[in-house]
Amino acid sequence: QKEVEQNSGPLSVPEGAIASLNCTYSDRVSQSFFWYRQYSGKSPELIMSIYSNGDKEDGRFTAQLNKASQYVSLLIRDSQPSDSATYLCAVNPGGSEKLVFGKGTKLTVNP
Amino acid sequence: DVKVTQSSRYLVKRTGEKVFLECVQDMDHENMFWYRQDPGLGLRLIYFSYDVKMKEKGDIPEGYSVSREKKERFSLILESASTNQTSMYLCVVREPVDYGYTFGSGTRLTVV
Repeated sequence: QKEVEQNSGPLSVPEGAIASLNCTYSDRVSQSFFWYRQYSGKSPELIMSIYSNGDKEDGRFTAQLNKASQYVSLLIRDSQPSDSATYLCAVNPGGSEKLVFGKGTKLTVNP
Repeated sequence: DVKVTQSSRYLVKRTGEKVFLECVQDMDHENMFWYRQDPGLGLRLIYFSYDVKMKEKGDIPEGYSVSREKKERFSLILESASTNQTSMYLCVVREPVDYGYTFGSGTRLTVV
């Protein structure tokens, strides 16, 4: 069983701070990695995808991938109260079309 | 981007009923998935389909079946609903160009 582990949280940061969300995965040949944001009662929405080692930036969000360590992270700079949500890490195991999800980290940004 | 539509936002069904959950995409993508989401258990894959009439079991297929007669439509069927199938059901479509996965808005099913 391919596994994806996330910090269980919850994580609480003040407005304007950097929020750091972490994820590890067990399948060494995983190819694609995703971060989703899910507001309470809503379905997940894609924030970032990353496929190669290093950093990928999109506005206030930066995804970091280290395949050797089987580790992917999401940094949210200048956190806003509207960033308060559950963040899901998802991995596409090697040779498979399906996504395997972590259980999510709940983030609260305090004004 | 693909639009993924789930026909019902909320459903209440009785134990033993046969339940159909419908998912429609507005494009022609091959890969479609059904997940359920439960507190503490996260998102778990029930079934997926990679083309018309093609399907594969996911991690928790027991008590479910699926149908894909047309490329744009993927149906999840609860053969005989039970209370432990009360959950949020999410349809997902994979977009081949950038390999992103798009969720429908979800169906919250309650079995009483």
